[in-house]
Formats: sequence, structure tokens, C-alpha cells
Amino acid sequence: EAGVAQSPRYKIIEKRQSVAFWCNPISGHATLYWYQQILGQGPKLLIQFQNNGVVDDSQLPKDRFSAERLKGVDSTLKIQPAKLEDSAVYLCASSSDSTFNEKLFFGSGTQLSVL
Amino acid sequence: AQKITQTQPGMFVQEKEAVTLDCTYDTSDQSYGLFWYKQPSSGEMIFLIYQGSYDEQNATEGRYSLNFQKARKSANLVISASQLGDSAMYFCAMREGESTGTASKLTFGTGTRLQVTL
Repeated sequence: EAGVAQSPRYKIIEKRQSVAFWCNPISGHATLYWYQQILGQGPKLLIQFQNNGVVDDSQLPKDRFSAERLKGVDSTLKIQPAKLEDSAVYLCASSSDSTFNEKLFFGSGTQLSVL
Repeated sequence: AQKITQTQPGMFVQEKEAVTLDCTYDTSDQSYGLFWYKQPSSGEMIFLIYQGSYDEQNATEGRYSLNFQKARKSANLVISASQLGDSAMYFCAMREGESTGTASKLTFGTGTRLQVTL
């Protein structure tokens, strides 16, 4: 079974530029998550989708971050414009549903450096 | 208040020895799930073990076991017979359950870096 796919693996941009990340979840998984992991910290949830609807985006900086999940499968996360503090690893995860005992499967992440 | 607390930033253990990684949590929900994930240098978060709040027995998965003490709100990970490949970051996480009808987000601690030595 294929895992969660993410691209690109690394991205370096200058502040005020825009960037987009792509995620393809495990086939059949209804729930998709984007996490931000700043160096030395645990991952923090940015947004959670159930199929193509948003369940939780309370910690998404909506003035600069946006995400979509078209057709309830792939997802893209965009930052525009980027700030220095956005330097982090962006992890995508998926699960078959959103019950409290459901484990999340993670991709390898996209490491973003904002200069 | 922190939902998940991991007080050990780093730990060393000798190969073949057992090691315990500490995790305490804070919740008022009766239904919740506790997870441990491993993050090697490659960056991917790998699921290790799960403990539900209603589970009476401690969870075990191969060399991993979870020492669940509900009254103390602790969920320590025990790795037996450590191997060099166990060197990684380890994260404790919690998902609160049914008080609102839907599961909350998975909240992570700050992690413990484990180094296994010869």
C-alpha cells in the first residue's frame, strides 16, 4: 500500500515570495491534515479536511496561508507572502476517519527555508 | 496549559537495554486516545503504539509498550532491547474524544531525542 506522498521535499524561497506544497493521501482515506513543525517543536495542526470540507482551521494564519482539497483526494497548501517565521517542515497526514482512536499516517514532509 | 508534556529533551541508552520515555497529559474528557510516534532523521512520523482511555490493559506492539497510569495522567513509552535504529525523536500525542461529538485534533508534545549507543 502506497503511503502519503508529498512534494517537493525541500524548498528555499525569499521572504515575501509565495510557495505551494502538494499532498496525496493514502487511497481511500477521508481525512487529511496539514501540520507545521518548527525546529525543536512538535507538529502543530494547521488544517484538517474531512473529504473536501474543512473540519478545523483554527490555527491556520488565514491572512497568508490557504489550503484546498479538491475532489476529496489531493491537497495543496499555499503560503503567500512567506515570512521568515514560516521556516519549518510541513507535514501532511491522512487517516481513514476522524474518530479519536484513529491513527494518522504521515508523509516525509516538505522542509521550507525562508531567507 | 500544555496538553502533552514530555520533560526529557534527550535520552541516552545502551544497545540491548530498556528505556522509558516520559509523557504526561492533561484533559477533562473521559474519552481520549494516546499515541506515540517516532521521527527518524528522514522526517517521516511513524506510528508506534496507541492506548485508549478505556483500555484496561497496557498496549504492547513488539518491543514497544505503553505504561498507562490513568490516575496520574501519564502514558510512558517503554522500549525494550534497544537497537541502534531506535535513535530518533519520539513524540507523545493525544486526541480528545467525544465531549463535542467529534474527535479533536491530534496534539503533540515537544518530543524526546533518543540516542542508542554501543
